[in-house]
Amino acid sequence: DAKTTQPTSMDCAEGRAANLPCNHSTISGNEYVYWYRQIHSQGPQYIIHGLKNNETNEMASLIITEDRKSSTLILPHATLRDTAVYYCIVRVADTGNQFYFGTGTSLTVIP
Amino acid sequence: GAVVSQHPSWVICKSGTSVKIECRSLDFQATTMFWYRQFPKQSLMLMATSNEGSKATYEQGVEKDKFLINHASLTLSTLTVTSAHPEDSSFYICSAKGTQGRYGYTFGSGTRLTVV
Repeated sequence: DAKTTQPTSMDCAEGRAANLPCNHSTISGNEYVYWYRQIHSQGPQYIIHGLKNNETNEMASLIITEDRKSSTLILPHATLRDTAVYYCIVRVADTGNQFYFGTGTSLTVIP
Repeated sequence: GAVVSQHPSWVICKSGTSVKIECRSLDFQATTMFWYRQFPKQSLMLMATSNEGSKATYEQGVEKDKFLINHASLTLSTLTVTSAHPEDSSFYICSAKGTQGRYGYTFGSGTRLTVV
């Protein structure tokens, strides 16, 4: 599975959009981009995933560049409850393979 | 849907004793479950992969005789930390893959193990 690079930490004002970048320059054509988050002392929570098209669900939007070498997770209106570590993971879907977690981005939403 | 229940949520045990952690898929059948360990301020590290009815596959550096994994049914996997030592104190998390090719895996809420 391809490696990802994320900033170590970010701050965001409450109510504003949080944009979390992820670089995955070695991504393969059949690898998806997944985003999970982990709130302190809890298990990771699935947010969203995509292959090459932009995706949106009730939690977030995922913007993938045309060359698929990077992506951005967007939380449109960040709340204090969105404070967490966000992990960007690339892997082939439905292979039964495990998820390998990098260091992620620690997002702090500031009142 | 797709809920994974992990029990206990926290446990304190004495050095030298064994501790069992359960991971259950509540509303789906999990053909494969994964066990992770997370030390403070670090990321999740995969320990092993368990497939229902077969032996677990351990990541390099993980002692299979110390971390016993049993996946006897499609809804239950257990991790037993044998002869626990203080350095085994950590946050243990399981995740499960369903039988219908789910796009993402569901994670349990984790178990905080403290060995004293």
